Amino acid sequence: DIQLTQSPSFLSASVGDRVTITCRASQGISDYLAWYQQKPGKAPKLLIYTASTLHSGVPSTFSGSGSGTEFTLTISSLQPEDFATYYCQLLSTYPLTFGQGTKLEIK
Amino acid sequence: EVQLVESGGGLIQPGGSLRLSCAASGFIVSSNYMSWVRQASGKGLEWVSVIYSGGSTYYADSVKGRFTISRDSSKNMLYLQMNSLRAEDTAVYYCARWLQLGNAAFDIWGQGTMVTVSS
Repeated sequence: DIQLTQSPSFLSASVGDRVTITCRASQGISDYLAWYQQKPGKAPKLLIYTASTLHSGVPSTFSGSGSGTEFTLTISSLQPEDFATYYCQLLSTYPLTFGQGTKLEIK
Repeated sequence: EVQLVESGGGLIQPGGSLRLSCAASGFIVSSNYMSWVRQASGKGLEWVSVIYSGGSTYYADSVKGRFTISRDSSKNMLYLQMNSLRAEDTAVYYCARWLQLGNAAFDIWGQGTMVTVSS
């Protein structure tokens, strides 16, 4: 099975900061990677698909990049509503593994 | 409005069975790839199963042979039949639509239904 490793697992930042979360795959997955945001008690929300395509309605402060084994999610200017947990997911092969998550907290 | 609403969760004893339901509105379940994802309390997301529009199904190793995904086109519903339940199956279960734009992503999620396996 292909493993996804996110880093960091925890991130403390301030409103207005630029932050980057990395997701590394144990094997190449082309661009079959998605990013989700989840807030406590809520279902995940899709942010980015095919590594870099912004989902409809998602603010342009979010961006994704990468291909193969290394991917990044960048938030260019943190807003108060962006403090949440972020997950990457591979969609190239089964199982459709998620990364372990990155919890973004307010500094 | 495009949405998914899960139901059927609850408290069940180890070894028992439960069927989760997922009602879709605003799109046709049988024309889409549909999936179940679960999340234990305080833990990350775990993919469980998928059913293709053509009917093929796939499962995580942790549930293979115990869980069955299915759908009812007449009711526009998705189901997850869970048998031989274990304590480690305790989680919130989400249904989701798998957007098929180059294997894109899970673009629509339900609110989740809680399953607790305990004696």
